[in-house]
Amino acid sequence: GAVVSQHPSWVICKSGTSVKIECRSLDFQATTMFWYRQFPKQSLMLMATSNEGSKATYEQGVEKDKFLINHASLTLSTLTVTSAHPEDSSFYICSTPGYTDTQYFGPGTRLTVL
Amino acid sequence: AQTVTQSQPEMSVQEAETVTLSCTYDTSENNYYLFWYKQPPSRQMILVIRQEAYKQQNATENRFSVNFQKAAKSFSLKISDSQLGDTAMYFCAFYNFNKFYFGSGTKLNVKP
Repeated sequence: GAVVSQHPSWVICKSGTSVKIECRSLDFQATTMFWYRQFPKQSLMLMATSNEGSKATYEQGVEKDKFLINHASLTLSTLTVTSAHPEDSSFYICSTPGYTDTQYFGPGTRLTVL
Repeated sequence: AQTVTQSQPEMSVQEAETVTLSCTYDTSENNYYLFWYKQPPSRQMILVIRQEAYKQQNATENRFSVNFQKAAKSFSLKISDSQLGDTAMYFCAFYNFNKFYFGSGTKLNVKP
């Protein structure tokens, strides 16, 4: 299956700063990337779908000006949390669909906003 | 909208025994895919098994098998010969039209 990496694996930042999370498809051309957030002991919630070379599609209730997504190449999608606040602290996961519609997930990024 | 329901928040099983995790879903679509993913403490999502809705035969992967009942919209996961490494959160997922919908998860504890 496809190999997906995320960087950083964890990050701590101060309230009001911006944080960028990278998601890379290492052996597969990912035209589509999904971004999820997962609160402790909860399920994955889809935030947005990014498509290479076009604007991301955000789920209802997700602020697109706060969670900026860029998918500039077939191997890289980035999620930038702008002006982060403590309530943005969460586990962020990206994934990309493989050849058989199976989702391949990155290892996740734990964001803590102080 | 599609919904996925996992009614068992937590389950326990003795090592080497068999356990079944339940999942139901609601959809008006006829063609879709169903998955079980495992999330161990590392939080990396790992594919356990995949089922295509148009296939009547239940999918199997070594110790993992599913009971897919399309009319009842039920998709349970059976784990045979449970191992300590099976301890994890298990998520049932529905996939259609390029979107995944996840259940709330079942925490499985395998006891020695």
